[in-house]
Amino acid sequence: QVQLQQSGPGLVEPSQTLSLTCVISGDSVSNNRVIWNWIRQSPSRGLEWLGRTYYRSKWYLESAASMNSRLTVTPDTSMNQFSLQLSSVTPEDTAVYYCARSGHGWEAGLFGYWGQGSLITVSS
Amino acid sequence: EIVLTQSPGTLSLSPGERATLSCRASQSVSGNYAWYQQKPGQPPRLLIYGTSSRATGIPDRFSGSGSGTDFTLTINRLEPEDFAVYYCQQYDDSPPWTFGQGTKVEIK
Repeated sequence: QVQLQQSGPGLVEPSQTLSLTCVISGDSVSNNRVIWNWIRQSPSRGLEWLGRTYYRSKWYLESAASMNSRLTVTPDTSMNQFSLQLSSVTPEDTAVYYCARSGHGWEAGLFGYWGQGSLITVSS
Repeated sequence: EIVLTQSPGTLSLSPGERATLSCRASQSVSGNYAWYQQKPGQPPRLLIYGTSSRATGIPDRFSGSGSGTDFTLTINRLEPEDFAVYYCQQYDDSPPWTFGQGTKVEIK
C-alpha cells in the first residue's frame, strides 16, 4: 500500500523559500514506472500542477512554466522521499500543497495516490 | 494550456437522485480525461480515468462519458457519502496537467 506523508512549516514569510518534503512508503522514489509530483490548491487558483521528478536511467526534474523558475523538485534516494522548494514566495503562494504519485506513459498525469496535504500560509 | 470549465458550480440534490456533472475543454482532448472527488480536509480521490474507466474500488453508480471537448460524470442514486466536490482533469499529451474549478454536489 503506497502512502505519502508530507511535512512542512505551515507559515512562511514573504520573499523566503518554502520547503516541503514527501516521505514515500510502499514504493521507491527510484521506481522507473512512476512519477512523483507536487500539486497545490487555493480558492483563487484551484488545483494547480506544479512540478515533478522521476527516474528513467537518470533523474528528471521538471516544473510548470507558471512557476517562473522558482520551483525545484528533488529526489532523495537515501530517505526515499522527494522535496519541493519554492523561492521568493508571496501571499499568492498561500495554498494547500499536495504530493502525489502518477504512473508511466499515458498515466503520467493521472494521480492515484496523494499525500494528506500541507496548508502553507505566506505572511509576515 | 488546456482550460477546463465545469458546470454547474453547485448541484443541489437529494439522496437517491441522479447527478450529472459537465466539463468542457478549451480544445479537443483525447481519452486522457479523469474525475476526482474531494471531501473537506482530504486530498482529491481518483474516481474515473480514461474518460470512462472506474478506478479501483469505485462503485458502479459512478460513470464517465464524453469525447472531444465535452465530458460528463454521472452519479446514479446518490448516496450520503457522495456529497462532495468533483473535479475534472485532463492529462493529455504533456504537462501542465489542468483541472476544472470544481462542482459541489450538496444535499437539497
